[in-house]
Amino acid sequence: GQQLNQSPQSMFIQEGEDVSMNCTSSSIFNTWLWYKQDPGEGPVLLIALYKAGELTSNGRLTAQFGITRKDSFLNISASIPSDVGIYFCAGQLKSRAGTASKLTFGTGTRLQVTL
Amino acid sequence: DARVTQTPRHKVTEMGQEVTMRCQPILGHNTVFWYRQTMMQGLELLAYFRNRAPLDDSGMPKDRFSAEMPDATLATLKIQPSEPRDSAVYFCASGLVLGVSEAFFGQGTRLTVV
Repeated sequence: GQQLNQSPQSMFIQEGEDVSMNCTSSSIFNTWLWYKQDPGEGPVLLIALYKAGELTSNGRLTAQFGITRKDSFLNISASIPSDVGIYFCAGQLKSRAGTASKLTFGTGTRLQVTL
Repeated sequence: DARVTQTPRHKVTEMGQEVTMRCQPILGHNTVFWYRQTMMQGLELLAYFRNRAPLDDSGMPKDRFSAEMPDATLATLKIQPSEPRDSAVYFCASGLVLGVSEAFFGQGTRLTVV
């Protein structure tokens, strides 16, 4: 099935550093979502973006909906050890009826934070 | 604290056996998704339901997989017969669709078929 491309695939950073990751698609989306998955758990929603150009923050996390509607970015400031995990982007289209369609997930970015 | 509940959390079964995975969506949510996660393929959508009706199950191998929602509080995913390549983590997610869908995931069922 279709997947969104995320980069980087993985990254090692030191505690306190800022982190940036992005997600690109060949198709446009109406909604972008960012999830975090911890080992042995399901993905947990971090941020939802509904409008091209939108910039939304959730604590140390900031995400942007690209103006082309084909990409999105997630930034984590001042990383801490509990930021470790896999970050997934997900895109969604609306149907003609205006209702939401299925989510398409990115390939994930694995983040590891060293002390 | 509302959450999606999946059972069992882990399942080991022999090839050829039937497997049933269950999901209790968040009360009031009208959309249920089944995803499969593997290292190679990532998160793949198998099927999703809205108001208990299947909307899209194109991601599901029809010959062995079936998904149902007997009522609003229970979704099931069955594999019969199971094969080793079905080994994966299966996630259920639910959402309330009013133009957008913020899907909330369960903890998953880790299936191992030997």
